[in-house]
Amino acid sequence: GEDVEQSLFLSVREGDSSVINCTYTDSSSTYLYWYKQEPGAGLQLLTYIFSNMDMKQDQRLTVLLNKKDKHLSLRIADTQTGDSAIYFCAGTGGFKTIFGAGTRLFVKA
Amino acid sequence: GAVVSQHPSWVICKSGTSVKIECRSLDFQATTMFWYRQFPKQSLMLMATSNEGSKATYEQGVEKDKFLINHASLTLSTLTVTSAHPEDSSFYICSARSPSGIRTGELFFGEGSRLTVL
Repeated sequence: GEDVEQSLFLSVREGDSSVINCTYTDSSSTYLYWYKQEPGAGLQLLTYIFSNMDMKQDQRLTVLLNKKDKHLSLRIADTQTGDSAIYFCAGTGGFKTIFGAGTRLFVKA
Repeated sequence: GAVVSQHPSWVICKSGTSVKIECRSLDFQATTMFWYRQFPKQSLMLMATSNEGSKATYEQGVEKDKFLINHASLTLSTLTVTSAHPEDSSFYICSARSPSGIRTGELFFGEGSRLTVL
């Protein structure tokens, strides 16, 4: 089945770019996702990328997909304190969505 | 986007009592909903897939008699933690796919319910 791994913690200064990395095992995932979870809340979809794409940009967010290495990254430009949250990488393993452990992003003012 | 709501947001109960958590899709019909459990600083653990009008599908290691799931309508799934004990204390989250999200597999999540068992 699908296995998704990501680093657990990232700290950046306000205004810098943040890059959160993720690796996955199941190359048949049609879509790959980035979800954001703020403290004490559910998850919210930030963006997703179709598996035949290399890159997707949405305002401050850039998703890069390297299918050969099964590597997914999320870049947040001009990171703000409001971006502090946990970011989950996810892929589809059949009908189910498989989540990574989450990367806790801490933004220092 | 589609809206999923959970109730209650938090609940404190005594050991041995049962607690029911509701998950509602407010503006779409959800034939399938998912229940997760999240421990502090950990990822989501899928507990079960709730299917409208039929039995839930539980993940390996999840006690179906402990965590009762009922999906009686297209907009409501409930999770009942029976005879709760302190080790059941956790953050429980539900999610659903809206019809518009079927193609992309996007999930819409409830706000989560924090259960504390004393």
